[in-house]
Amino acid sequence: NAGVMQNPRHLVRRRGQEARLRCSPMKGHSHVYWYRQLPEEGLKFMVYLQKENIIDESGMPKERFSAEFPKEGPSILRIQQVVRGDSAAYFCASSVTGGAIGNTEAFFGQGTRLTVV
Amino acid sequence: QKEVEQNSGPLSVPEGAIASLNCTYSDRVSQSFFWYRQYSGKSPELIMSIYSNGDKEDGRFTAQLNKASQYVSLLIRDSQPSDSATYLCAVKPNTDKLIFGTGTRLQVFP
Repeated sequence: NAGVMQNPRHLVRRRGQEARLRCSPMKGHSHVYWYRQLPEEGLKFMVYLQKENIIDESGMPKERFSAEFPKEGPSILRIQQVVRGDSAAYFCASSVTGGAIGNTEAFFGQGTRLTVV
Repeated sequence: QKEVEQNSGPLSVPEGAIASLNCTYSDRVSQSFFWYRQYSGKSPELIMSIYSNGDKEDGRFTAQLNKASQYVSLLIRDSQPSDSATYLCAVKPNTDKLIFGTGTRLQVFP
């Protein structure tokens, strides 16, 4: 049973380009979380999705950032017109359910390191 | 007040000692609590989950939860240099998102 798969592992973009980060959850998992981590800092929540639904996007910047989790295929985090401040590690995690207890354990992918030059 | 608070450390303990990591949270309705370990440059790895008051043991790790005090801790017995990492406390209020503390850096010296 493959774990959470993220790609690419490293992504370099010039200022103004678009970055697309992909996350395939573990088999049987229908809940996906995206987090951003700056060097020497904690994990900052960005967005929480279920299949075809955004449940909570309170951590997403209002502009340039969007996320989706279609019925088929991976979850995508899209950053338009990237700036140097977007450089960070972006982690995706998945869980079986989003309920209060039980089966809520979330497992992380290896992350995508985005560098904006 | 931060939703999940941890002392950033570093917490330094000698090899073989017990390392005690603490975490407090603000949302009283929180039901699920997790400890993750993150090595430098790597992704977080789940090491413990706890849902009810009391202790939960798994090998050298013991998680402790006190909902009345809104406090969760992680004890690592017989600490090893390979345990040196950042330990992240995470809390899940009801059906909402998973919230992380900033982590405590643990250093185990030989």
